[in-house]
Amino acid sequence: EIVLTQSPGTLSLSPGERATLSCRASQRVSSSYLAWFQQKPGQAPRLLIDAASSRATGIPDRFSGSGSGTEFTLTISRLEPEDFAVYYCQRYGTSLTFGGGTKVEIK
Amino acid sequence: QVQLVESGGGLVKPGGSLRLSCAASGFTFTDYYMSWIRQAPGKGLEWVSYISSSSDYTNYADSVKGRFTISRDNAKNSLDLQMNSLRVEDTALYYCARGGYDSVVKYWGQGTLVTVSS
Repeated sequence: EIVLTQSPGTLSLSPGERATLSCRASQRVSSSYLAWFQQKPGQAPRLLIDAASSRATGIPDRFSGSGSGTEFTLTISRLEPEDFAVYYCQRYGTSLTFGGGTKVEIK
Repeated sequence: QVQLVESGGGLVKPGGSLRLSCAASGFTFTDYYMSWIRQAPGKGLEWVSYISSSSDYTNYADSVKGRFTISRDNAKNSLDLQMNSLRVEDTALYYCARGGYDSVVKYWGQGTLVTVSS
């Protein structure tokens, strides 16, 4: 079973700063099946990135995804106030696996 | 627009059963795998199960295998999750979601809360 490990657990940053979130897989993951989600308190998760680097419809271009194999990254180029939330990576396919999440909080 | 509306959550004693339902609209239901994903209070996301568009393929997380059964009614655009032998650790918000095996989970419902407690 593939395990996804996200780091850091919490990222404390100020608006306007760059956020770099990591997702490491215990085995190689096809880039085609790696996604990133954003979740705010009291809301369902929202799809940000599919296929490791393709932004979902309506997602601002300050969000970008990259990586392959076992190392994937979500980058938020300049944090806006509405970006402070929890972010999850997910691998889908035969089974679905979520990372433990990274909380991006206001410093 | 795509809508997924869950129902059926509630308080149940350990060992009890509960059946969750999800009403889908705004897309061609028969084109998609459907999934259940849960989130324990204050915790992360955990996939529970998915079902193929024609119901011929299902898969479950090890934590629920043998206790939960996923099903769908394509005539009614509905998805169900029968949960038996419930445990305290099954307490969570259960989300219905479109996709899961061959497509990303793009749409989620708002969830229905299941609480297992004596």
